[in-house]
Amino acid sequence: QVQLQESGPGLVKPSQTLSLTCTVSGGSISSGSYYWSWIRQPAGKGLEWIGRIYTSGSTNYNPSLKSRVTISVDTSKNQFSLKLSSVTAADTAVYYCAREWIVVVPAAIDNWFDPWGQGTLVTVSS
Amino acid sequence: EIVLTQSPGTLSLSPGERATLSCRASQSVSSSYLAWYQQKPGQAPRLLIYGASSRATGIPDRFSGSGSGTDFTLTISRLEPEDFAVYYCQQFRTFGGGTKVEIK
Repeated sequence: QVQLQESGPGLVKPSQTLSLTCTVSGGSISSGSYYWSWIRQPAGKGLEWIGRIYTSGSTNYNPSLKSRVTISVDTSKNQFSLKLSSVTAADTAVYYCAREWIVVVPAAIDNWFDPWGQGTLVTVSS
Repeated sequence: EIVLTQSPGTLSLSPGERATLSCRASQSVSSSYLAWYQQKPGQAPRLLIYGASSRATGIPDRFSGSGSGTDFTLTISRLEPEDFAVYYCQQFRTFGGGTKVEIK
């Protein structure tokens, strides 16, 4: 079955850019009608959706982060990536990548995230 | 922006008891569906329920979801030791704040 794995630096300095990659295995990132998302979770807190990308390259971002976020996809490597610029300590969190399912029925849209990567802790500190 | 409010914040129960978790949306939008996730310490969230009431693959039938519009419920019929965890609801791109189910 499809599995996701995050990778990237665990420590980023304030004002720099956080860069993470999610590698998809067990299936092609281009198959099916899925979005590929990034979600983060500060220690002891809840989940925050960061943004998503479709394999066509179409993206959607959390309005609160939009000015700092870029998500891209490399279908040849079966990967998608996250860049978050101008980071501060408030960006310290466990970052997850996940596959988003979307089902459109009359007058409704249903979406959910499955599977998730194991998560990677990114600490912003000098 | 939808806000999802989960209650209670913490639920203290014993193994074998029934757990009822609530998730209320601030508004009813075109999507009347909801997903539930279970998260254990140090692990990623795991999908339990999608479409408000459909169990994900491999999820035991003691987990059930119900509701529509703005009010949704996750029920665990008989708590097993491995069910003590934090549970989150999700609609669109919004997650609830979570309910911790702890051993009484």
